[in-house]
Amino acid sequence: GENVEQHPSTLSVQEGDSAVIKCTYSDSASNYFPWYKQELGKRPQLIIDIRSNVGEKKDQRIAVTLNKTAKHFSLHITETQPEDSAVYFCAAMGYGNKLVFGAGTILRVKS
Amino acid sequence: DVKVTQSSRYLVKRTGEKVFLECVQDMDHENMFWYRQDPGLGLRLIYFSYDVKMKEKGDIPEGYSVSREKKERFSLILESASTNQTSMYLCASSFGGIEQFFGPGTRLTVL
Repeated sequence: GENVEQHPSTLSVQEGDSAVIKCTYSDSASNYFPWYKQELGKRPQLIIDIRSNVGEKKDQRIAVTLNKTAKHFSLHITETQPEDSAVYFCAAMGYGNKLVFGAGTILRVKS
Repeated sequence: DVKVTQSSRYLVKRTGEKVFLECVQDMDHENMFWYRQDPGLGLRLIYFSYDVKMKEKGDIPEGYSVSREKKERFSLILESASTNQTSMYLCASSFGGIEQFFGPGTRLTVL
């Protein structure tokens, strides 16, 4: 089945700097890759997603890139702000429309 | 606005008890999911359902069962709770297998 690895597990950046979180997946048939943000004590919420027929997608300060050949995708956050501090999860949709999640990245933005 | 609710935010049970966790969504979504969230392990799929009375095993179904008698309600059952089932349980729903909307979670402690 699908396996998703996410790195780094924790990331500290200075306010205003960029943050990059990377994920790799194993199933070449996976075709949907969402990113979820979970603030402390709250539920995960979708922040951006990308389909396998697109290489990059951007929404204001966040962007996601996908390299199907290498089977990896990344989340890029520019001009980070304290409210970006959260746990971020990547996921890949594999067999049977099931999402398989990465282990999560704790992002801390220091002001 | 999609609303996914879970019956309890916090629950404390004793080893061997039968535990019911309930999830209700109000958007007529066909798909519903149960995950458990543990630090460093991300979200792991326990069971999911594509329709009323249908259920499919996820990645970690052992020790759990589910029930979906009505489209809006998906219940997770721990037949005989054990201490290794202490965790955060998250329910989610989706339409068409794309964005999943999560409930607030139930933090279960088994003593």
